[in-house]
Amino acid sequence: DIQMTQSPSSLSASVGDRVTITCRASQSISRSLNWYQQKSGKAPKLLIYAASSLQSGVPSRFSGTGSGTDFTLTISSLQPEDFAIYYCQQTYSTPQTFGQGTKVEIK
Amino acid sequence: QITLKESGPTLVKPAQTLTLTCTFSGFSLTTNGVGVGWIRQPPGKALEWLALIYWDDDKRYSPSLKSRLTITKDTSKNQVVLTMTSMDPVDTATYYCAHSGRLSLTSYFDYWGQGTLVTVSS
Repeated sequence: DIQMTQSPSSLSASVGDRVTITCRASQSISRSLNWYQQKSGKAPKLLIYAASSLQSGVPSRFSGTGSGTDFTLTISSLQPEDFAIYYCQQTYSTPQTFGQGTKVEIK
Repeated sequence: QITLKESGPTLVKPAQTLTLTCTFSGFSLTTNGVGVGWIRQPPGKALEWLALIYWDDDKRYSPSLKSRLTITKDTSKNQVVLTMTSMDPVDTATYYCAHSGRLSLTSYFDYWGQGTLVTVSS
């Protein structure tokens, strides 16, 4: 299985801050990397697919970069509704593994 | 508008078999490239990918659970069914089904059901 490691596991930030979350794959996954946002008690929501493509309806403050083994999700200006847990997922090979999640909390 | 909804028991006993049904609308599982997957999430823990079935009946399973899982589809009913045998308390989780979209050589879960919490307890 390809292991996905996110860092940090949690972070505290203020509204308006720039936030960066990283995801590292245990082997190259090309650009087969997705990012999801999950709020408490809700299903995950797709933010970014194929490493850098913004899902329809997702605010442009979210962006993704990377290829191979190293990927980042950036929130350019954190908004109150962005406090949530973020997961990366690789779809390069089966099983399509998820990272352990990064919790973004209010500072 | 794509929607998915999971249904099944909320409580199962250890050693029993769990059967979950995902009923969807807004797409067809006969369309080239389309898939439906199952993902679970134990309380307070991360997402775990379980299985995926594609339009052409290609089936993929998590290797660690493969011996316990079966995924099938009924295109006439717009349903995907996941069965998991030998349930254990560690299988207590919210189970989600999701639509798998595809772009070139990659895929993603772009629509999710609301999830159903399954508790394994005697």
